Amino acid sequence: EVQLLESGGGLVQPGGSLRLSCAASGFTFKSYAMSWVRQAPGKGLEWVSSIVASGLTTYYADSVKGRFTVSRSNPDGTVFLQMSSLRVEDTAVYYCAKERKLSFDYWGQGALVTVSA
Amino acid sequence: QSVLTQPPSVSGAPGQTVSISCTGSNSNIGAGYAVHWYQQLPGTAPKLLMHADSTRPSGVPDRFSGSKSGSSASLAITGLQADDEATYYCQSYDSSLSGAVFGGGTQLTVL
Repeated sequence: EVQLLESGGGLVQPGGSLRLSCAASGFTFKSYAMSWVRQAPGKGLEWVSSIVASGLTTYYADSVKGRFTVSRSNPDGTVFLQMSSLRVEDTAVYYCAKERKLSFDYWGQGALVTVSA
Repeated sequence: QSVLTQPPSVSGAPGQTVSISCTGSNSNIGAGYAVHWYQQLPGTAPKLLMHADSTRPSGVPDRFSGSKSGSSASLAITGLQADDEATYYCQSYDSSLSGAVFGGGTQLTVL
């Protein structure tokens, strides 16, 4: 059974940093691209970032480019999202998702990130 | 404003059929990229409902069907049931943005 478990969410002040982790199990982690998708309170889904299976290539939405960094540890089956220079508008539930042919076939339960003074 | 356009809401009575549209452009759906659909129940993570335009993952009832034509796609739900009440999102890939794009979501109400 595929499982994705996010951790690291919390309350942070504007301008601060936070690191999310997503522990994956139940599939061959090193073979699949992984992504982060966020959902602001009461809003729709927004793709944030993706990392290819090898970890050598990453992609970012314009809204987070230069502030967020995605990485992964294939031996540990974990993907990370390092978020810096956080803004109030980054407040959202952040989902980790497994990619399959440009779709997201499995999702974690989400980690809430609140950016507030 | 979402890159893909969906109606904010649709509704139907139990047993009826509803359709949700998803309109894109020449850099995403119109460029031939596949459309995928997700169902999100209140307070839960999204779940993949349809991938590659019209393919149902294992466990998704055949009451759900997908189609695509040109720069638009549709999700149809037949034989509406109360537990179909959810928000539905379409998603594709956009070559100009080099990333995934979503529709704004459609809230389905079963009357």
